This record gives sequence, C-alpha cells and structure tokens, in this order.
Amino acid sequence: DQQVKQNSPSLSVQEGRISILNCDYTNSMFDYFLWYKKYPAEGPTFLISISSIKDKNEDGRFTVFLNKSAKHLSLHIVPSQPGDSAVYFCAASEGYSTLTFGKGTMLLVSP
Amino acid sequence: DTAVSQTPKYLVTQMGNDKSIKCEQNLGHDTMYWYKQDSKKFLKIMFSYNNKELIINETVPNRFSPKSPDKAHLNLHINSLELGDSAVYFCASSHDPTSLYGYTFGSGTRLTVV
Repeated sequence: DQQVKQNSPSLSVQEGRISILNCDYTNSMFDYFLWYKKYPAEGPTFLISISSIKDKNEDGRFTVFLNKSAKHLSLHIVPSQPGDSAVYFCAASEGYSTLTFGKGTMLLVSP
Repeated sequence: DTAVSQTPKYLVTQMGNDKSIKCEQNLGHDTMYWYKQDSKKFLKIMFSYNNKELIINETVPNRFSPKSPDKAHLNLHINSLELGDSAVYFCASSHDPTSLYGYTFGSGTRLTVV
C-alpha cells in the first residue's frame, strides 16, 4: 500500500538545466510534504517542505509545487549542478503523524 | 560532533543471532525514530519515541525491541535474526513528534543476515 509514490526511479539532466522530480500521493489527509536528499552511505537530509495551505515554496535553487486536487507535488532544481546528484525522497505526513516516504528518485546531473 | 550517530555502520551476522544497533543524538531533540529501508528502497517507520516513551510501534515482529535509556539515545535490539531482516536501518530525531521541521537522520546501519 504505497501512499507516497515516486514513479521515476531515475532522472538524468545536464548541468545548468532544470531538474523536475515528481511525487504522487493517495492519502488526501496528508497535509505536510517534505523532500529529502540522500547521498550514498549517508542518511537522508532535509531539503525543503510545504504545507497543504500553500501551493509553492521556494528556497534558493529549489522550489516545491503542490497540486492538492491532483495529489501531486514536484521538486524543481534550477539550475542543476553535478553536486545535486543524489537520491531524492518525497515524504508526507498527516497531522502529527510520522513521515511516510516514497521509494526515491536517483538524479544524475552530468557536466 | 555528528548530530545523529549510529553504530555500527555495517553488521554481518548469522541467522538466529541477537544483535543491537545504537543511536545517539546531540541535537537536544525530544523525539527519535527507527526507520527500515528494505530491498525495495522504501523507508518505513518502525518505532518512535518521545522523551523516552514509545509513541509509535508499527507492525514490526516482536523480535525487534527498542530501548530508550534517555531522550538522547534510542537503541534497537533484534532477537533471532532472519534473512529478511537484512536491510539498512536509519535512526532519526526531530524537535517533537510533529514533522514540521523535518527529521535529522543518521547515516544508517547496513545489516546483512547470512
């Protein structure tokens, strides 16, 4: 029962271009969404979040968009850099519950 | 001065053995978690403790027993290890049981049961 789905296991982008990572969810009660970044042999690190009362949150090169009607969120990275190459996890929570994670999307940014 | 540290980083053991994974956080957080990342790459919550009290216990075999001696430590003990227990186990902490500020994760413990 995957409540948070990241259907693209991998994404390749050239340096300087935009990376768009997608995430879908099935639980309409989710009201808080986060993106985590994970390098090999390290734990996930928090990147950016958005609450359900917003449809966009921006932090430097990273922007998260939320479409509640479609139960879809996306992470945009502009411009992409080789150091952005990592696995990106989408996560969601309902109220004060713990985070539910997707399977992750591996982003490869080539020079 | 790692914020959330787990030991050991790698653990290879035989079926039937009992093993422990330790976790410590120096962030002053009140809440700690254990997540399991299995072969399908999902990160699934196992346990959550707030101020040493168990607040979440997902459907996990009772061979897994968490212990929190104080709010800075959350250890995971596994009895009678099985092949299916092979996974990466991540410890995490947060300010409180909400998700509002995100979690800080340790670097993981790769457990291999042979």
